[in-house]
Amino acid sequence: EAQVTQNPRYLITVTGKKLTVTCSQNMNHEYMSWYRQDPGLGLRQIYYSMNVEVTDKGDVPEGYKVSRKEKRNFPLILESPSPNQTSLYFCASSPTSSLGGGKETQYFGPGTRLLVL
Amino acid sequence: AQKITQTQPGMFVQEKEAVTLDCTYDTSDPSYGLFWYKQPSSGEMIFLIYQGSYDQQNATEGRYSLNFQKARKSANLVISASQLGDSAMYFCAMREGRYSSASKIIFGSGTRLSIRP
Repeated sequence: EAQVTQNPRYLITVTGKKLTVTCSQNMNHEYMSWYRQDPGLGLRQIYYSMNVEVTDKGDVPEGYKVSRKEKRNFPLILESPSPNQTSLYFCASSPTSSLGGGKETQYFGPGTRLLVL
Repeated sequence: AQKITQTQPGMFVQEKEAVTLDCTYDTSDPSYGLFWYKQPSSGEMIFLIYQGSYDQQNATEGRYSLNFQKARKSANLVISASQLGDSAMYFCAMREGRYSSASKIIFGSGTRLSIRP
């Protein structure tokens, strides 16, 4: 089954304790991305990756790191989490396509709820 | 800078009626793609429909259609014959650039749709 998986689904942690949220896709997609969702703000892109070893900042990258060593995995790292990073996090992937080349979509993971105390 | 605006924080609609969810966007790039996603109370993000800036026809997917008015920079989602299961949060999103692997994606703040029986 084609899917994007995230782990953990729920996490409570304390300020300053490094954590990693994993993301994996089994569709051989080039593009992967991380978003955070906060009430009233919709989804905001944190980082995205165009392919292995290629990453770029989204709109809210501060306080986050990512890596893309393998095509299927795109972990999100919070080196020193703070309470303002309490949020719902989504990972997503999509194949590379050009406009006019057909339908586009992103496949989303189930989300990770993070609470930083 | 790219921007997505959804001006309806919430809407109530009678079951079986059609509903239009508004989305306006701002971009200086002639190449872009527009998406609509549904987020039910369970939290997952579900892709609904996509429109490319060069697509000649308005996109349709079953009961969903996208009213794309390029000159007005609007991409409204139309749901025909609404059902109770359509009650959810709906997000409009946009990416710039000709190639899907090379650009940021931004989301609107969402519209919460509630269907009355």
